Amino acid sequence: SQQGEEDPQALSIQEGENATMNCSYKTSINNLQWYRQNSGRGLVHLILIRSNEREKHSGRLRVTLDTSKKSSSLLITASRAADTASYFCASSFSGGYNKLIFGAGTRLAVHP
Amino acid sequence: NAGVTQTPKFQVLKTGQSMTLQCAQDMNHNSMYWYRQDPGMGLRLIYYSASEGTTDKGEVPNGYNVSRLNKREFSLRLESAAPSQTSVYFCASSEGAASYNSPLHFGNGTRLTVT
Repeated sequence: SQQGEEDPQALSIQEGENATMNCSYKTSINNLQWYRQNSGRGLVHLILIRSNEREKHSGRLRVTLDTSKKSSSLLITASRAADTASYFCASSFSGGYNKLIFGAGTRLAVHP
Repeated sequence: NAGVTQTPKFQVLKTGQSMTLQCAQDMNHNSMYWYRQDPGMGLRLIYYSASEGTTDKGEVPNGYNVSRLNKREFSLRLESAAPSQTSVYFCASSEGAASYNSPLHFGNGTRLTVT
């Protein structure tokens, strides 16, 4: 399988703390994307990072990509209770036209 | 804009029954996808349509058929439902190829139980 894998599977923190989630993948990629899923809802796109990029920011989100280690990380700074959700990485692998392969996700709980 | 709309939201089937899950997008996207989500397994691609008039198999196509009815609509059909098809089904769309920097837009899912 070319599926990515997230680590940790679950994360519990207090409001104001930072949350870091990691993702590993197995083959060369075109891009790697991060999505958020609130309970009972569909996935929402957060950030897309291309294979030739090393870091990307969007508001309180920071994504890094290390193609030599085939890994990516998502950092949420100054977390809020509203950040409670599952977070998924999805890798678009070279040669896999139109296909995104999703990991199993990290469940983040932010406590007030 | 409604984005990606899926119907129905919930469905219970008996083994052997058939049904069609409907999906429509109003963003004029070229590509559409069907995923299933099972606990602890993330999302797995069932079928996708790169453009109107084309469909291709994903990771787990067995037991399913799809129709790209027009640019807006992409349906998923279960001809003879099995308990292993109990899952949450998500439809998604993207402007271009997901592998070439087009993010996916998801519907809110159809929760299917096969007894």
